[in-house]
Amino acid sequence: KAGVTQTPRYLIKTRGQQVTLSCSPISGHRSVSWYQQTPGQGLQFLFEYFSETQRNKGNFPGRFSGRQFSNSRSEMNVSTLELGDSALYLCASSLAPVTQGYEQYFGPGTRLTVT
Amino acid sequence: KNEVEQSPQNLTAQEGEFITINCSYSVGISALHWLQQHPGGGIVSLFMLSSGKKKHGRLIATINIQEKHSSLHITASHPRDSAVYICAVRSLDSNYQLIWGAGTKLIIKP
Repeated sequence: KAGVTQTPRYLIKTRGQQVTLSCSPISGHRSVSWYQQTPGQGLQFLFEYFSETQRNKGNFPGRFSGRQFSNSRSEMNVSTLELGDSALYLCASSLAPVTQGYEQYFGPGTRLTVT
Repeated sequence: KNEVEQSPQNLTAQEGEFITINCSYSVGISALHWLQQHPGGGIVSLFMLSSGKKKHGRLIATINIQEKHSSLHITASHPRDSAVYICAVRSLDSNYQLIWGAGTKLIIKP
């Protein structure tokens, strides 16, 4: 079974631009969560999607948004990029919502650099 | 005070040594995870624990729910074990979202 895949793996953008990151979960997994990892803040939860619905959201501004498609693939969008958005963005998938105790499997991440 | 504390932050050891990484937490949890992150970023889930002890190869994870403490042990450590080890708890107080420790950077020298 293929693991969680994320595209692109690396991305360089300039301030003010927007960016879309993609995550394909493990086949059969319907829950996708997104995390941001920065040296200063560590790993922080962005949001979780299950069956095309956002189930939970972390403490991030509205510039961060996401969606999930009927095939469970998910995209994350960041608008009006700021330098502080430079981070590793990780996606994780699980069979069902995390509240049901299923293990999450992580993708390799997308490293975003904002200049 | 952080809700999840790991120690040590950094650990350098010689190949073959027995390694222990500790994690303490202050919230109610449904499960605790140990994850491994290699340079380059990808995270691999090692264990998910809600009680007792789990073993996988040279890795052993234990949890004491009453003391709100978990340990990750590596026996017969090898340079390929060099990575950042992260403890994360699934918090009952935060709608089951993961709260992450800061990680322990482990370097095993040959």
